[in-house]
Amino acid sequence: DAGVTQSPTHLIKTRGQHVTLRCSPISGHKSVSWYQQVLGQGPQFIFQYYEKEERGRGNFPDRFSARQFPNYSSELNVNALLLGDSALYLCASSSPGRTGGLQYFGPGTRLTVT
Amino acid sequence: SQQGEEDPQALSIQEGENATMNCSYKTSINNLQWYRQNSGRGLVHLILIRSNEREKHSGRLRVTLDTSKKSSSLLITASRAADTASYFCATGVSNTGNQFYFGTGTSLTVIP
Repeated sequence: DAGVTQSPTHLIKTRGQHVTLRCSPISGHKSVSWYQQVLGQGPQFIFQYYEKEERGRGNFPDRFSARQFPNYSSELNVNALLLGDSALYLCASSSPGRTGGLQYFGPGTRLTVT
Repeated sequence: SQQGEEDPQALSIQEGENATMNCSYKTSINNLQWYRQNSGRGLVHLILIRSNEREKHSGRLRVTLDTSKKSSSLLITASRAADTASYFCATGVSNTGNQFYFGTGTSLTVIP
């Protein structure tokens, strides 16, 4: 089975622009989470979606938004890009159980804002 | 802000030695997971330990969890050059879903 896939792999944008990142979860996984990883730091939780509903949101500004589609794929949107948004954006899918399930990560999208 | 912190930030050992990394966190958790990351790419899940467990083994990995001290440790025995990577702990918080908070990571270098 295919793992978590993300597109694009790399992206270069200019300050003020908008970006859309895409994620396809592992088949059968209904939960998708997004993380931002700035160079030299650990991933920071942005959003979690389960069954197309937002189940959690990290400490990120409203410029960040996401959605999940009926096929459980997901998009992360970032408006009015800032230089500080340059990071590796990771998507993870899971099949939540009663006490939490394993998260499987995609390879990430490297976003550079100039 | 990060939920947890790993210690040390960087670790360099000779091949064959054991490597120990520690993780401290701040709030109550459902479980704690350890991940490996090579060269800033996707994370690979290593092991999950639930809040009611104290120790878990997987191959050359041994994880302990002390919920009273809000800390965990990852031991890699008989290290190999291929173990060179960054290691992160991630805490699963008791909420409506699987929201995980990562620590700052330990950069491990295994010298052949």
